[in-house]
Amino acid sequence: QQPVQSPQAVILREGEDAVINCSSSKALYSVHWYRQKHGEAPVFLMILLKGGEQKGHEKISASFNEKKQQSSLYLTASQLSYSGTYFCGTASNSGYALNFGKGTSLLVTP
Amino acid sequence: NAGVTQTPKFQVLKTGQSMTLQCAQDMNHNSMYWYRQDPGMGLRLIYYSASEGTTDKGEVPNGYNVSRLNKREFSLRLESAAPSQTSVYFCASTYERGLGTDTQYFGPGTRLTVL
Repeated sequence: QQPVQSPQAVILREGEDAVINCSSSKALYSVHWYRQKHGEAPVFLMILLKGGEQKGHEKISASFNEKKQQSSLYLTASQLSYSGTYFCGTASNSGYALNFGKGTSLLVTP
Repeated sequence: NAGVTQTPKFQVLKTGQSMTLQCAQDMNHNSMYWYRQDPGMGLRLIYYSASEGTTDKGEVPNGYNVSRLNKREFSLRLESAAPSQTSVYFCASTYERGLGTDTQYFGPGTRLTVL
């Protein structure tokens, strides 16, 4: 089942902060975050695992609330290069399928 | 080390024509996946192969078939293309058998238009 992302779109000025949320109605084993620039493939940002382990870029931070089946991606001191569409992907305990949300479009302006 | 490669990059088909999208990875990954991406819909899983010799349906498998030719290659076939299959197709792979704890690496995509 597709996770729900919010907001759908956000516009920031360079240096501002943003939070992107991802929620699921199913119990989650892990949450994945990817960023996609226009016309390109999605690029890995972070994985958050049940139990607290995280794998990802040092400059990216995120949280995973297992009880609420929610994750948030924190973008601080945004740069122009942060612009793109952010997707969360969720994996449940059953099967191998990774379900992606519809994405959050982020635009950082000078 | 090329990562995940896809061919072709662009393709235009007429309704009813068939074609095969090719995907290969050189990272010794075990699992491979095919997604389609439509505007405002995110990425939807078509088929996946958890390991060589196995394939399973994803969320939107109708109208597609797949072949895991060997550990490196995973192809997606459209037997009779329909306009609803106009989309961008991404292939991806992971080392782990399954998606729970492993980074997914994506290919550059194939942009398919069915007229």
